[in-house]
Amino acid sequence: KQEVTQIPAALSVPEGENLVLNCSFTDSAIYNLQWFRQDPGKGLTSLLLIQSSQREQTSGRLNASLDKSSGRSTLYIAASQPGDSATYLCAVSSAGNNRKLIWGLGTSLAVNP
Amino acid sequence: DGGITQSPKYLFRKEGQNVTLSCEQNLNHDAMYWYRQDPGQGLRLIYYSQIVNDFQKGDIAEGYSVSREKKESFPLTVTSAQKNPTAFYLCASSIDRVNTEAFFGQGTRLTVV
Repeated sequence: KQEVTQIPAALSVPEGENLVLNCSFTDSAIYNLQWFRQDPGKGLTSLLLIQSSQREQTSGRLNASLDKSSGRSTLYIAASQPGDSATYLCAVSSAGNNRKLIWGLGTSLAVNP
Repeated sequence: DGGITQSPKYLFRKEGQNVTLSCEQNLNHDAMYWYRQDPGQGLRLIYYSQIVNDFQKGDIAEGYSVSREKKESFPLTVTSAQKNPTAFYLCASSIDRVNTEAFFGQGTRLTVV
């Protein structure tokens, strides 16, 4: 059974720091992995999607990597800003016929001015 | 603008009442999903639909019902049989069940009063 874990659960950093959020999964037979952002009381915004055949994806200051063999993905945020404060969620879609998304609990990020 | 619209943003339900949450998308996506989000828990799948006039139970379907009469619309009814309905409800869509890149609405917060 696929399980997704995000560490740390919460993170507080000063503005300008580069930071890494972690997502680990127990079954390497995945179809893709997605990173989302959620602001308090809001829906989820898709940040990056990495297909199982890819190693990384980049969008602006965000870079997501995927290492299927070790069951890990990292989301790298460069030069963090207060506007990056949010909860970051990762979700794994399993390979095979059932592509149900399995979710981590998220990392709550606070970037302090 | 293309996207997913959920309404209302806030909903209050009396004990014993059924309420319906609306979800509309103009992305021309075949697949639509309903999730429930509770503090300290990952997103849990309630129902999903791969195509018009078809839907499947997710992990926590008891006390909920859905319909998919139009491609654009996937309303969720929270029935009186749902014993703990207070939660944040999120609707999502993807191109199809294989292409699982998910796009989310802004959510509906349901409170039982």
